[in-house]
Amino acid sequence: GAVVSQHPSWVICKSGTSVKIECRSLDFQATTMFWYRQFPKQSLMLMATSNEGSKATYEQGVEKDKFLINHASLTLSTLTVTSAHPEDSSFYICSAADLGLYTDTQYFGPGTRLTVL
Amino acid sequence: SQKIEQNSEALNIQEGKTATLTCNYTNYSPAYLQWYRQDPGRGPVFLLLIRENEKEKRKERLKVTFDTTLKQSLFHITASQPADSATYLCALGGDSGGGADGLTFGKGTHLIIQP
Repeated sequence: GAVVSQHPSWVICKSGTSVKIECRSLDFQATTMFWYRQFPKQSLMLMATSNEGSKATYEQGVEKDKFLINHASLTLSTLTVTSAHPEDSSFYICSAADLGLYTDTQYFGPGTRLTVL
Repeated sequence: SQKIEQNSEALNIQEGKTATLTCNYTNYSPAYLQWYRQDPGRGPVFLLLIRENEKEKRKERLKVTFDTTLKQSLFHITASQPADSATYLCALGGDSGGGADGLTFGKGTHLIIQP
């Protein structure tokens, strides 16, 4: 139980294009999903908190117009990196909290490796 | 600002011994602390959660302690195996109170269990 999937697992795109990453909770419902970013040999950094049916809350320094988050249902959140540039290349990871358990336990997806040329 | 420190160097342990990893934090009053395992190119896998009012928690070969006075958590793997080799992340949460919170992660400790 408590499986989170991400798609795609990796993507390579040209500078200036937009990339959408999907995060799904497969066997549980999650009102809250989180998006993190991890650069090589660095810690995971929280980018935003995504709540179903409402606007995402972004961490300081994260541009909401660049990283668009949509949480349309209790099992799906999407992150769109708009007009991607090489400095956006990173490992993007989502997580979800299971409503049926303690909300402070998060389950992470396998991550999406984004490379912007 | 909030800061989490984990052993920055790789930790080499002989198979069968107990591995002990340290997580220290400052400028933070977490309601809970979590430990995750991360393998290269993969997302973190949840291992254990310990709350501020708990001193110790165990799960199979894993043991976590939490000292809110010292602002420190210790993570132990007993009877270590080469398959335990991975990066272990410490994460804090619950500072904002109530509901699901985003986590603040340390950089992780790379553990190597040598056969």
